[in-house]
Amino acid sequence: QVQLVQSGAEVRKPGASVKVSCKASGFTFTNYVIHWVRQAPGQRLEWMGWINAGNGNTKYSQKFQGRVTITRDTSASTAYMDLNSLRSEDTAVYYCARDQEWLVMYYFDYWGQGTLVTVSS
Amino acid sequence: DIQMTQSPSTLSASVGDRVSITCRASQSISTWLAWYQQKPGKAPKLLIYGASSLQSGVPSRFSGSGSGTEFTLTIGSLQPDDVATYYCQQYNSLSNTFGQGTKLEIK
Repeated sequence: QVQLVQSGAEVRKPGASVKVSCKASGFTFTNYVIHWVRQAPGQRLEWMGWINAGNGNTKYSQKFQGRVTITRDTSASTAYMDLNSLRSEDTAVYYCARDQEWLVMYYFDYWGQGTLVTVSS
Repeated sequence: DIQMTQSPSTLSASVGDRVSITCRASQSISTWLAWYQQKPGKAPKLLIYGASSLQSGVPSRFSGSGSGTEFTLTIGSLQPDDVATYYCQQYNSLSNTFGQGTKLEIK
């Protein structure tokens, strides 16, 4: 069955960086685009960016441009989201999510379980 | 960015009731709209895409309608398992934005 399994919770100090992983199974990883979406406490979902797992192309939300880097390791069927210059407002649950096969439609049929990133001094 | 506004913010209804949630877009998005269900501590689950297409495996009591700027998610007969927060998402532009959510409770 399709699964996206994310790495565990992280605590960082302001100004630090964090890298979250998302391991895919149950489907052909390189046929899909993987997105990253975050949800701050009590807030709406917020799209951050995507990576084409096949060719490595990326696109980022303007809000996070310059602070976020999304990469993938096809041999491990894993996508990564790296966010730097962390501030308290970055405290959120970060999700990876799968788009439609061969397409970038921006709606997501499978999601990871979420990774809580806490930014606190 | 296209802004998405849901109403109501909170909804309380009885088991068996027909329930509707509205989502309005700040500009026309045709039918580029999805609905998700999120239970506490869990990831969102896709219910509807293309404004009215039911995702595989989703119970048929869920339906979506609308186009342009106004959309509706309807639950035909509310079940206890439907307690959750529901989000709409537009994917018209080469990006996407979500509504603020509607929390659905059982009376």
